[in-house]
Amino acid sequence: QVQLKESGPGLVQPSQTLSLTCTVSGLSLTSNSVSWIRQPPGKGLEWMGVIWSNGGTDYNSAIKSRLSISRDTSKSQVFLKMNSLQTEDTAMYFCARIRYYSGDYWGQGVMVTVSS
Amino acid sequence: DVVMTQTPPSLSVAIGQSVSISCKSSQSLVASDKNTYLNWLLQSPGRSPKRLIYQVSKLDSGVPDRFSGSGSEKDFTLKISRVEAEDLGVYYCLQGTHLPLTFGSGTKLEIK
Repeated sequence: QVQLKESGPGLVQPSQTLSLTCTVSGLSLTSNSVSWIRQPPGKGLEWMGVIWSNGGTDYNSAIKSRLSISRDTSKSQVFLKMNSLQTEDTAMYFCARIRYYSGDYWGQGVMVTVSS
Repeated sequence: DVVMTQTPPSLSVAIGQSVSISCKSSQSLVASDKNTYLNWLLQSPGRSPKRLIYQVSKLDSGVPDRFSGSGSEKDFTLKISRVEAEDLGVYYCLQGTHLPLTFGSGTKLEIK
């Protein structure tokens, strides 16, 4: 069955770069698109960006200058890199398979805290 | 960016009652392919969001038919008939017609 699992450091220092990995199983990244979505503690959901099945990317303009999404299809992994982290980037980060322009399968999420 | 205005922010209902949640978009959600990419998701406590409905009214696999979606253009509704205890959580609408994808602010459903 389709599964997605996020991994990465739980704590990142301010101004540093966040690197997260989404490992997928049960689907091929060459025919599926994957998004990253985040949720600050106690708040709502924010779409960050997507890597399409053709390898193209789109980003939320609010964070576009700091964000990069890439993939390794041979390893079934999607990567998120975001630089210049601030405390307001503290959030649960989810990856999700995109179908009909929304996420139908979601990972369990990984909590990232930005703090010195 | 498309703004999704979701109301009410919270609901408290008894088991067996029916409820409706509204979502209004700042722009038409009819895409160039004539589809309308309006979705509803439920985030149960401590869990990842789960999509319930896509393209306004299509139920995802395994979603009970107590859930239904309706609407068009800029005005959409999620209805839950005969609420059950497992329905508690936060409901979000999500538009996928325009980039960036945008979510409503959420409706917290509590069981009386």
